[in-house]
Amino acid sequence: EAQVTQNPRYLITVTGKKLTVTCSQNMNHEYMSWYRQDPGLGLRQIYYSMNVEVTDKGDVPEGYKVSRKEKRNFPLILESPSPNQTSLYFCASSLALTDTQYFGPGTRLTVL
Amino acid sequence: QKEVEQNSGPLSVPEGAIASLNCTYSDRVSQSFFWYRQYSGKSPELIMSIYSNGDKEDGRFTAQLNKASQYVSLLIRDSQPSDSATYLCAVINFNKFYFGSGTKLNVKP
Repeated sequence: EAQVTQNPRYLITVTGKKLTVTCSQNMNHEYMSWYRQDPGLGLRQIYYSMNVEVTDKGDVPEGYKVSRKEKRNFPLILESPSPNQTSLYFCASSLALTDTQYFGPGTRLTVL
Repeated sequence: QKEVEQNSGPLSVPEGAIASLNCTYSDRVSQSFFWYRQYSGKSPELIMSIYSNGDKEDGRFTAQLNKASQYVSLLIRDSQPSDSATYLCAVINFNKFYFGSGTKLNVKP
């Protein structure tokens, strides 16, 4: 089944404790993104990757890191999480930039 | 100024009516436009994309683009209760996606 998977789905952590949210797609997609969704603010792009080893900042990259060492995986790293990073996070992928973007199920992160 | 603006709603329409959802964008260089639907507690899913001025129809959905006015709309004909969701407008600028905050649509039986 073609899909985007994210893990974990739910995470409660404390300020400053490094964490990684994994994202994997099995559709051989080139373009991958991370978004955060907050009430009233909609989806905001954090980072995106046009292809392996090619990543770039989205609209709200502060406090986040990503890597794209393999085509299928695009982990999101929070090296020192803060409460303002409490949010719902989505990973998404598409064959190319303007093709249909498929979203993962979301990761709900709470930083205390 | 936000890149993409939408009325948050909720927009309430009776079953069988036409629902009209609107979106404006700020950057004239935007070339690609999308409408996503997001049910409560679920992930967004693409409904339609549009790249050139005019109308694009897909079943009960019609996307309309007016680049001169920097305006994108989505019409849903014969609205059904199953269309009740939040509709997100998105544009691409320089390889980045910008989403509006979404319009919540309620279709009443």
